[in-house]
Amino acid sequence: GAVVSQHPSRVICKSGTSVKIECRSLDFQATTMFWYRQFPKKSLMLMATSNEGSKATYEQGVEKDKFLINHASLTLSTLTVTSAHPEDSSFYICSARDSRGGTEAFFGQGTRLTVV
Amino acid sequence: AQSVSQHNHHVILSEAASLELGCNYSYGGTVNLFWYVQYPGQHLQLLLKYFSGDPLVKGIKGFEAEFIKSKFSFNLRKPSVQWSDTAEYFCAVNDYTGNQFYFGTGTSLTVIP
Repeated sequence: GAVVSQHPSRVICKSGTSVKIECRSLDFQATTMFWYRQFPKKSLMLMATSNEGSKATYEQGVEKDKFLINHASLTLSTLTVTSAHPEDSSFYICSARDSRGGTEAFFGQGTRLTVV
Repeated sequence: AQSVSQHNHHVILSEAASLELGCNYSYGGTVNLFWYVQYPGQHLQLLLKYFSGDPLVKGIKGFEAEFIKSKFSFNLRKPSVQWSDTAEYFCAVNDYTGNQFYFGTGTSLTVIP
């Protein structure tokens, strides 16, 4: 089946530093990848949709300069949290859609970010 | 943007009880509908999906869902729950292009042995 790998699974960083999270589709090519933030006891909030080779589309209220998304290849998208603050601590999840067709998205295991 | 509503935030059931979780969405066009499950400490897994055809969809682990277009609903059902069904359940919607993918707020299901 389709596998999406997210790395790292956990990261702790200091306030003011930047953190990069990788999302890879391992056995398929993904033209479209999605980045979500999951708050405790709450739903997944779509942050942005990234398309390979073009700029990401950010949801309303998401700071594009703070959450930098790069989708440079068909198997890799990265989310960089710049100048991280404690309020950025959260669970970030990526998902990817197979470019061969279908609208189902496959999810990574998530990254727990803690900013201290 | 589309919105997805899950009215049951936390459901507690005894084993063998029947389950129905509500999901409503707002989008006038053609949609694809999904239910995902997140077991404690694990990532999201697809339970079932509806793209077209028979509005009654059967998924894994005995779950099923019915798409009622006139009600913009896609409720999840299971005739007899098990303790192992304890998890978070998310309804999700995307449009026919697949370029937007939105989730409901989730329902936490606790099954008591």
